[in-house]
Amino acid sequence: AQSVTQLDSQVPVFEEAPVELRCNYSSSVSVYLFWYVQYPNQGLQLLLKYLSGSTLVESINGFEAEFNKSQTSFHLRKPSVHISDTAEYFCAVSEGSNDYKLSFGAGTTVTVRA
Amino acid sequence: NAGVTQTPKFRVLKTGQSMTLLCAQDMNHEYMYWYRQDPGMGLRLIHYSVGEGTTAKGEVPDGYNVSRLKKQNFLLGLESAAPSQTSVYFCASSYRGGRYEQFFGPGTRLTVL
Repeated sequence: AQSVTQLDSQVPVFEEAPVELRCNYSSSVSVYLFWYVQYPNQGLQLLLKYLSGSTLVESINGFEAEFNKSQTSFHLRKPSVHISDTAEYFCAVSEGSNDYKLSFGAGTTVTVRA
Repeated sequence: NAGVTQTPKFRVLKTGQSMTLLCAQDMNHEYMYWYRQDPGMGLRLIHYSVGEGTTAKGEVPDGYNVSRLKKQNFLLGLESAAPSQTSVYFCASSYRGGRYEQFFGPGTRLTVL
């Protein structure tokens, strides 16, 4: 069974500074990897995903994540954050063989300050 | 398209009362899910459905029941609410499992006194 660990529960960051959110997973089979974002008082929405191919995936609003199979990690980065990036970020893992189950990490709250 | 909608948005119950949360999706998705979100615990799957007329237990099913009589609707019932069920409940849907994105509703904030 897979598990997902997000190493930081809270990340305060100043506007225009870089941010990295760490995610590690445990699984014995190949996986699909996701980052979801939850803005205040909203549901989750997909930020980006890794299914196969290039290990570096990007979102439309400047986030990127790199799949590292040997380290079983899928860290999320943004080189310059905006106030509007204040949100909670969830890493999630799905095992292709276990069709329905999406396992979520505990979440990382990013607070961007001016 | 409305996407995934949830009714109600807020509810306060007394211990022992019952209620039903309604989820509706207009994307013709096969899979639907109910999660609960508690601080520091991420999202935990309560029940899920892989098609009309089917339901299955997730990781925290106790105290909840579900039904999927129509493809677009997924109902979550609490027969006898307990304070431990105070949480934010999210419904989600997806075309299939695995590699497919889950689309989430706005959530229902439930308080059980």
